[in-house]
Amino acid sequence: NAGVMQNPRHLVRRRGQEARLRCSPMKGHSHVYWYRQLPEEGLKFMVYLQKENIIDESGMPKERFSAEFPKEGPSILRIQQVVRGDSAAYFCASRGETSTDTQYFGPGTRLTVL
Amino acid sequence: AQRVTQPEKLLSVFKGAPVELKCNYSYSGSPELFWYVQYSRQRLQLLLRHISRESIKGFTADLNKGETSFHLKKPFAQEEDSAMYYCAPSTLTFGKGTMLLVSP
Repeated sequence: NAGVMQNPRHLVRRRGQEARLRCSPMKGHSHVYWYRQLPEEGLKFMVYLQKENIIDESGMPKERFSAEFPKEGPSILRIQQVVRGDSAAYFCASRGETSTDTQYFGPGTRLTVL
Repeated sequence: AQRVTQPEKLLSVFKGAPVELKCNYSYSGSPELFWYVQYSRQRLQLLLRHISRESIKGFTADLNKGETSFHLKKPFAQEEDSAMYYCAPSTLTFGKGTMLLVSP
């Protein structure tokens, strides 16, 4: 079990472009969380998904950001028309079926917007 | 509103010294309370959680409901404990982290 995988590890975009960040949860995990970490800040929750459903998106900006977790394939965090303020490390975590199961984190994707 | 405060950005101690990383929280409902650790060049991982009441790598954390604190403690720090430590009252709220640096 390779653990939670994220790709790309580093992503550079120019202002106005789109960024797509992928997260493959651990085998058997159907719950995925996305977090953003700005420099000198802690992790900020963005969105919580279960297969094909968004459970909680209270931490995600209403515009330009979207997330999905299709039946097949990785979870995708999509940022449209990126701005410099989107530059951050984006982490995903997955867990098993029980709410008290341990979360396992991916290595993160560092997004830089030029 | 959920908030968590880790007042120290950096805590520097000598090997063998006691360590206490502070965490205060405000939380509506029953917080779950976790400590996560990130060693250099590794991913974030769970260190311990209140519900388990366990000791991991010599670390313990006691919930003080009166002070709404969940400080992380270890009686004798080791060099390999050097890392970033994050307190989290839930899986949705994390502190800004404290860097623990243990010198020989």
